[in-house]
Amino acid sequence: GESVGLHLPTLSVQEGDNSIINCAYSNSASDYFIWYKQESGKGPQFIIDIRSNMDKRQGQRVTVLLNKTVKHLSLQIAATQPGDSAVYFCARRGSQGNLIFGKGTKLSVKP
Amino acid sequence: DGGITQSPKYLFRKEGQNVTLSCEQNLNHDAMYWYRQDPGQGLRLIYYSQIVNDFQKGDIAEGYSVSREKKESFPLTVTSAQKNPTAFYLCASSPLGQGRSYSYNSPLHFGNGTRLTVT
Repeated sequence: GESVGLHLPTLSVQEGDNSIINCAYSNSASDYFIWYKQESGKGPQFIIDIRSNMDKRQGQRVTVLLNKTVKHLSLQIAATQPGDSAVYFCARRGSQGNLIFGKGTKLSVKP
Repeated sequence: DGGITQSPKYLFRKEGQNVTLSCEQNLNHDAMYWYRQDPGQGLRLIYYSQIVNDFQKGDIAEGYSVSREKKESFPLTVTSAQKNPTAFYLCASSPLGQGRSYSYNSPLHFGNGTRLTVT
C-alpha cells in the first residue's frame, strides 16, 4: 500500500550545526515530494518540493535529496537556527492531488 | 494578502452536537482539502473538492460532511456520528492545471487550523 514514513521521531541539534531529516516511501510511482514545517498550533508551511526527475534541489539554507533507488528522501538544513525548531513532514502527491503525509520529525535546536 | 482563513481557532462542543468548521480562501484555487491531525501523527485526508458543487471522500470521511457551494469556501461539518472528533483540523487549497489535473509545481497551502474539543 501507500505510505510515507520518517526514520526518527525526534532530532536534537546544536545551533549552527546542519540538520538532516530523513523520510522513506514505499510507492515507486511517486513523482512529487514536498517538505513542510509545522510550528506549534499552526498549519504546515511549505519549505521545498522536488519532482522525481530530479535528485537534488536547493533553497535558502535547505536542500532536498531524492534517492529513487532506495525510495528515500531527505531534508538538509544548513546552519540550524532556533527558529527552525518545529515538526517537519515529508509528503508525496497522491493520484487525486491530495498529499499523503508521514508522521513527522520534531526538530529541537539547542542554543 | 492572499491566504486561507480557518475559523474559529478553538472550538468546544458537547458530545452529540454537530459542529461546522469554516474555511475560506482568496487564492483563487480550484481544489480544497480537509485534513485531520492527531497528536504525534501525520495528517489524514477527510474530504477534498476539485470544483464547485463536487467533492470526494478521503481516507477518513466517516462522520464528516462537506459542501462546496462557492469556490472560496469549503466548510466541514463534524457530525455526532464521528466517534473521536477531538482533533486539530486543517484546511488546504491548491490550484489545478489544465484539464483539471493537479499542478505538479503547486504544493498545498494550509490554513492555521481549528482545534476542536468535544466533551
